[in-house]
Amino acid sequence: DTGVSQDPRHKITKRGQNVTFRCDPISEHNRLYWYRQTLGQGPEFLTYFQNEAQLEKSRLLSNRFSAERPKGSFSTLEIQRTEQGDSAMYLCASSPQGNRNTIYFGEGSWLTVV
Amino acid sequence: AQSVTQLDSQVPVFEEAPVELRCNYSSSVSVYLFWYVQYPNQGLQLLLKYLSGSTLVKSINGFEAEFNKSQTSFHLRKPSVHISDTAEYFCAVSRRGLQGAQKLVFGQGTRLTINP
Repeated sequence: DTGVSQDPRHKITKRGQNVTFRCDPISEHNRLYWYRQTLGQGPEFLTYFQNEAQLEKSRLLSNRFSAERPKGSFSTLEIQRTEQGDSAMYLCASSPQGNRNTIYFGEGSWLTVV
Repeated sequence: AQSVTQLDSQVPVFEEAPVELRCNYSSSVSVYLFWYVQYPNQGLQLLLKYLSGSTLVKSINGFEAEFNKSQTSFHLRKPSVHISDTAEYFCAVSRRGLQGAQKLVFGQGTRLTINP
């Protein structure tokens, strides 16, 4: 069990550029979540996958954000036309079928938009 | 909808002193309750959780929290802290009984600083 892995850990990008983050959940975890955490705040829910199906999206997820989990394993979160307000840490988490109350978080991907 | 209020943004204590981090929640439905810890430059780690049963739950590193339904609180306590407990602590809730997404609603966090 190697834990939830996120890549890259840090990304600095210019406003208007696109960025993509990858998350590899714990093996055989069928539930995958994305959260966003800004400085001084707790994480906020963005979206949820069960296997490859994206079942829920927060209103925080504007149309510049898209998330996929094509084969029910790893997931990507893409932000198009980045804005300074997108600067945050993007956290991925996963949980196993049968124990959905135990959610394991990755170390996060820090995004700085300059 | 659920909301979580962590009453203290920062708590400085001396090593080996007791500590209490306060958490209150608001919800029109029954909830599960969680405490997560975030060490510098790291992700969140589950510290302890209340799902059902005994209202006092304990972690392996000496923390405990008690669910108080009448006061809608889930305060975190440790009788004697160590330097290594320095971290940000987040209280979170999620709705009970739903299938599918187990969305966590977090408080704003409490930064615990242990001074020697």
